[in-house]
Amino acid sequence: TQLLEQSPQFLSIQEGENLTVYCNSSSVFSSLQWYRQEPGEGPVLLVTVVTGGEVKKLKRLTFQFGDARKDSSLHITAAQPGDTGLYLCAGASNTDKLIFGTGTRLQVFP
Amino acid sequence: NAGVTQTPKFQVLKTGQSMTLQCAQDMNHEYMSWYRQDPGMGLRLIHYSVGAGITDQGEVPNGYNVSRSTTEDFPLRLLSAAPSQTSVYFCASSGYNEQYFGPGTRLTVT
Repeated sequence: TQLLEQSPQFLSIQEGENLTVYCNSSSVFSSLQWYRQEPGEGPVLLVTVVTGGEVKKLKRLTFQFGDARKDSSLHITAAQPGDTGLYLCAGASNTDKLIFGTGTRLQVFP
Repeated sequence: NAGVTQTPKFQVLKTGQSMTLQCAQDMNHEYMSWYRQDPGMGLRLIHYSVGAGITDQGEVPNGYNVSRSTTEDFPLRLLSAAPSQTSVYFCASSGYNEQYFGPGTRLTVT
């Protein structure tokens, strides 16, 4: 069974701080996705990374896929209250089924 | 273009009752899936479909049935509800490397 572990599980920070969320597995994935979910809503796709070592930037968010395609990180620069939410990573296997991590709940205080 | 729609938004069932959660998408995607989300466990795949007339089991299929008679609709049926099925249910529709989630159905089984 493929597992994706996210860390930290919870993160509370002040506005303006930087943070990194990690997503780790012992399995290789063909691609990895990051989602953000707000209370009462479904997850919303932020980015898909496909190539080992790939780095993608989305405004203040930087996503990296590990060289071996087993892990990924999400770095947020100068966090804002609007970044508050549940961040989920999800890995796609060669069967195209997505395996989701357990999530990182981020709270950014003004 | 409504994306993925789910009904109902909330539902309370008694143990042993049956019901159907509705899901529809208007993006002409072949791949659709159902997940349940429980605290601390991320999203777990219940059933999925790669096209009309084709369905398959995910990680946690017991107690649930699905059918896919059209590309647009993918209902999830609970045959005999149990308290362990209390959860938030998300339907998703996927194009290449992009997955879109519905707003979710919060189900409580008493």
